[in-house]
Amino acid sequence: SQQGEEDPQALSIQEGENATMNCSYKTSINNLQWYRQNSGRGLVHLILIRSNEREKHSGRLRVTLDTSKKSSSLLITASRAADTASYFCATGSSGGYQKVTFGTGTKLQVIP
Amino acid sequence: DAGITQSPRHKVTETGTPVTLRCHQTENHRYMYWYRQDPGHGLRLIHYSYGVKDTDKGEVSDGYSVSRSKTEDFLLTLESATSSQTSVYFCAISAGSEAFFGQGTRLTVV
Repeated sequence: SQQGEEDPQALSIQEGENATMNCSYKTSINNLQWYRQNSGRGLVHLILIRSNEREKHSGRLRVTLDTSKKSSSLLITASRAADTASYFCATGSSGGYQKVTFGTGTKLQVIP
Repeated sequence: DAGITQSPRHKVTETGTPVTLRCHQTENHRYMYWYRQDPGHGLRLIHYSYGVKDTDKGEVSDGYSVSRSKTEDFLLTLESATSSQTSVYFCAISAGSEAFFGQGTRLTVV
């Protein structure tokens, strides 16, 4: 069963613009993570936000978490062609990483 | 890719044949995982291991078995491959709340 649902499924923007992806989930969580997957590669961990945090930054990434709405957003500022990838949210509950559930992803295309 | 190697990277096999995928890590992590990735489903956990000879089932374990005889190696076996097992398979290791993934094995069952 899937916990996270990303929105939109696909996003195409011009280089330099900001990209926003959203994730909604169904049950209570301990943390929420975002991963990036380049075509033909494995997932790469980007950022983790805990359930008691509301916002977190890492470089050009900004993640927000609204536990009352069971949603999170990932903002990539000043996008680059190299940001072209699929982005997945993954929700974790207590009980170890085997409890982490992945969403279906947002495919981002950044046009140079 | 955090010292994780999957082999083979690509495989085509016939329905009904056994297939074994290998995941090798050089990080000495206790936890290892096998996922499959299919369009519209994201990543789904097949099996995981929490130590040598210690394994447990994930969300989509039917038709799969695993073994872990050494810390560094986690094997995924399809006893009798079916077309529904055509997928991309990823191995991962975890350190705390973060996971590191291998590059994947694309398996096609014809």
